[in-house]
Amino acid sequence: AQSVTQLDSHVSVSEGTPVLLRCNYSSSYSPSLFWYVQHPNKGLQLLLKYTSAATLVKGINGFEAEFKKSETSFHLTKPSAHMSDAAEYFCVVSDSGNTGKLIFGQGTTLQVKP
Amino acid sequence: KAGVTQTPRYLIKTRGQQVTLSCSPISGHRSVSWYQQTPGQGLQFLFEYFSETQRNKGNFPGRFSGRQFSNSRSEMNVSTLELGDSALYLCASSPRQAYSGNTIYFGEGSWLTVV
Repeated sequence: AQSVTQLDSHVSVSEGTPVLLRCNYSSSYSPSLFWYVQHPNKGLQLLLKYTSAATLVKGINGFEAEFKKSETSFHLTKPSAHMSDAAEYFCVVSDSGNTGKLIFGQGTTLQVKP
Repeated sequence: KAGVTQTPRYLIKTRGQQVTLSCSPISGHRSVSWYQQTPGQGLQFLFEYFSETQRNKGNFPGRFSGRQFSNSRSEMNVSTLELGDSALYLCASSPRQAYSGNTIYFGEGSWLTVV
């Protein structure tokens, strides 16, 4: 069965410093992986998606993630945090088979301090 | 292009009542799925529809049901509401029949409070 584990429930950074949100996945096949962001009282916005093309995936708003099969990881990074990045971030794996079902991690709250 | 639209955005219901939530997918999208988000359980898959047919269902009791219309709009219904059904219900759409790796776009959700 597919699953994801977000290693930190809460991350706090200062504005202008790098962001690292960690995610490990478990999958019996070559997975499709996503990062979504949810701002307060909003829906989910797709940041980026990995589907077995390039292992380094660039997303919106300066975020990127690197797929490392040997470490079963898909960490999200950004070189310089902005106040507007404060939100909840979800690492997501697509379920196997003929389905669009997504399996979500528990989320990481990113706090950005001025 | 308009995004996924969900109505109502906020509602309060009493235990034992039923509720119907509506979702209009992105124009041209034919697949709709629903998720429940709660602080305790996180985001959980409810069901998925394509061409008016339920293609997949999550581990929720039969009180949770849904349907999709010929114009791809979808509704979900929860009968005999319980306090634990209080949640944000998110609808998502994708262009084609859902498959693993498909990009899915979410609406802003319907906030349901059961009192």
